[in-house]
Amino acid sequence: AQKITQTQPGMFVQEKEAVTLDCTYDTSDQSYGLFWYKQPSSGEMIFLIYQGSYDEQNATEGRYSLNFQKARKSANLVISASQLGDSAMYFCAMREGRRDDKIIFGKGTRLHILP
Amino acid sequence: NAGVTQTPKFRILKIGQSMTLQCAQDMNHNYMYWYRQDPGMGLKLIYYSVGAGITDKGEVPNGYNVSRSTTEDFPLRLELAAPSQTSVYFCASSYSELGTPLHFGNGTRLTVT
Repeated sequence: AQKITQTQPGMFVQEKEAVTLDCTYDTSDQSYGLFWYKQPSSGEMIFLIYQGSYDEQNATEGRYSLNFQKARKSANLVISASQLGDSAMYFCAMREGRRDDKIIFGKGTRLHILP
Repeated sequence: NAGVTQTPKFRILKIGQSMTLQCAQDMNHNYMYWYRQDPGMGLKLIYYSVGAGITDKGEVPNGYNVSRSTTEDFPLRLELAAPSQTSVYFCASSYSELGTPLHFGNGTRLTVT
């Protein structure tokens, strides 16, 4: 069964520093996708970045990049030059490509950016 | 462009009452999902649908029912509400392609007392 693990319940980071949020996953499917979402205190869910299992390059979107290590089954989100507005909950999610179309989420990491 | 619309935004139910959470999308997405988010926690999948007439259980389906009679609508039914169903409920939709992200509604905050 597919599984997502985020082991950092909370993190405090100084503004302008880079931050890495950990995500490990488990699946027996060869085809899958990994997503990161941000949830500010207002509650909405915002899509940040996607990595496919067959993508050879690590995904990047502006200040967000994904450190994808397939053999280790990890898909860590890296935020460069953190800003106060990055303070939020961050969720890693996975969808298996062939077995079924469930999308499951990790428990999340609450990121606090300190001025 | 409305996206994913959830109603109501807030609801208080008494134990044993029933209600339907409405979800509608106007993006012609095949896939639709219902999640619940307990305070400070991640999202748990309740039910999902890959097209009209097709539904499947997620991680926490007990106490809920769904139907998908049209592409646009995916209502979630709570029968015999219990305090354990106090949560924020999110509906989401996407295209069928693997890499397409979920589009979320704004959530329904439900309290069962």
